[in-house]
Amino acid sequence: DAGITQSPRHKVTETGTPVTLRCHQTENHRYMYWYRQDPGHGLRLIHYSYGVKDTDKGEVSDGYSVSRSKTEDFLLTLESATSSQTSVYFCAISESDTSYNEQFFGPGTRLTVL
Amino acid sequence: QKEVEQNSGPLSVPEGAIASLNCTYSDRGSQSFFWYRQYSGKSPELIMSIYSNGDKEDGRFTAELNKASQYVSLLIRDSQPSDSATYLCAVLERADGLTFGKGTHLIIQP
Repeated sequence: DAGITQSPRHKVTETGTPVTLRCHQTENHRYMYWYRQDPGHGLRLIHYSYGVKDTDKGEVSDGYSVSRSKTEDFLLTLESATSSQTSVYFCAISESDTSYNEQFFGPGTRLTVL
Repeated sequence: QKEVEQNSGPLSVPEGAIASLNCTYSDRGSQSFFWYRQYSGKSPELIMSIYSNGDKEDGRFTAELNKASQYVSLLIRDSQPSDSATYLCAVLERADGLTFGKGTHLIIQP
């Protein structure tokens, strides 16, 4: 998985609780991304980061926040989890922002919100 | 809104035959195109990248890009049972993330 780990790998939580997912990379890549994957929707971008403390919103950012205080870590936070946020969450990394932006994915986190 | 369309399948192909997967995209500004393979319960794995019109070959895989017609295809020659997976087409305009199709489920029949 290209030196990418995600934690936790599985989590069950209750509606209204805060949840933080962590993505850690050992590749020293500048760009990091959070996607969610749902049946019938495919993979959709939540947030991305183009450097330490530099982040921006993706297609489905409502209800999520992110932080990146170190190059190697990108955190995704659900401030108050809802059942609609039950999904599989993937982190991805990329070395470059040019057209040759190959993204490599972590193993994923399966989140269930009851 | 950028869209990437794929036939969801399942696409069933006999072992040893050629599997042909297709993808169309809506954004003419798209610059880079990728094929990912995803096994059930696993993360997407990058198998091909293509950036200019024409064909690109890598082992048993050939990607074809036609920007005028806004489609990209993936051919898998000598299909093996291990090729059975969902294949995701992804398109990049800038560094703000990939737009994915919903994937084509490919089944290789022994």
